[in-house]
Amino acid sequence: GDSVTQMEGPVTLSEEAFLTINCTYTATGYPSLFWYVQYPGEGLQLLLKATKADDKGSNKGFEATYRKETTSFHLEKGSVQVSDSAVYFCALSEIRANSKLTFGKGITLSVRP
Amino acid sequence: EPEVTQTPSHQVTQMGQEVILRCVPISNHLYFYWYRQILGQKVEFLVSFYNNEISEKSEIFDDQFSVERPDGSNFTLKIRSTKLEDSAMYFCASTQRDYSQQYFGPGTRLTVT
Repeated sequence: GDSVTQMEGPVTLSEEAFLTINCTYTATGYPSLFWYVQYPGEGLQLLLKATKADDKGSNKGFEATYRKETTSFHLEKGSVQVSDSAVYFCALSEIRANSKLTFGKGITLSVRP
Repeated sequence: EPEVTQTPSHQVTQMGQEVILRCVPISNHLYFYWYRQILGQKVEFLVSFYNNEISEKSEIFDDQFSVERPDGSNFTLKIRSTKLEDSAMYFCASTQRDYSQQYFGPGTRLTVT
């Protein structure tokens, strides 16, 4: 079945550091790929998405590119802020009716001033 | 901005007891989901619901689980006889139409003692 693998965490960075969070997936067909973020005490929020190979999703300075050849969707940000401290989840969804999300384990990012 | 709400935020129950977790999806949404996350593990799909019936369920969603949309606004998850291994964070999600973004609630932390 479908699966998503994220790098182990937690990750602690200083403000303005470069961020990469790795995500790889296994799926039949060509899924849509997502990054969700969960801030403390809140629900999961969609951060960005990509629906086909070579698409780049971007939002709030974060980017991720759908790489079919390496089955990856790594999340990057050039300069993190303290407010980016949260849990980040990579997920996929098959392109069909009423499709569920398949999530990775999530990784906690802490950014110190 | 409309949001998905969940109550209670934290529920403690004894093994063997019934619990009902409540969700109020965004008002014009038609597709509803429950997910759970056991501490330190992946967010897992439980069930999807559309047009007053279950669309898909995972192998986790056995006879002890049920879902209901009793009054057109609430969406509930019932666990008939809780087990220790049901301790987890339970997330509700909804989406307006097929293939679109799922909006998540903040979750209910269920602790079974």
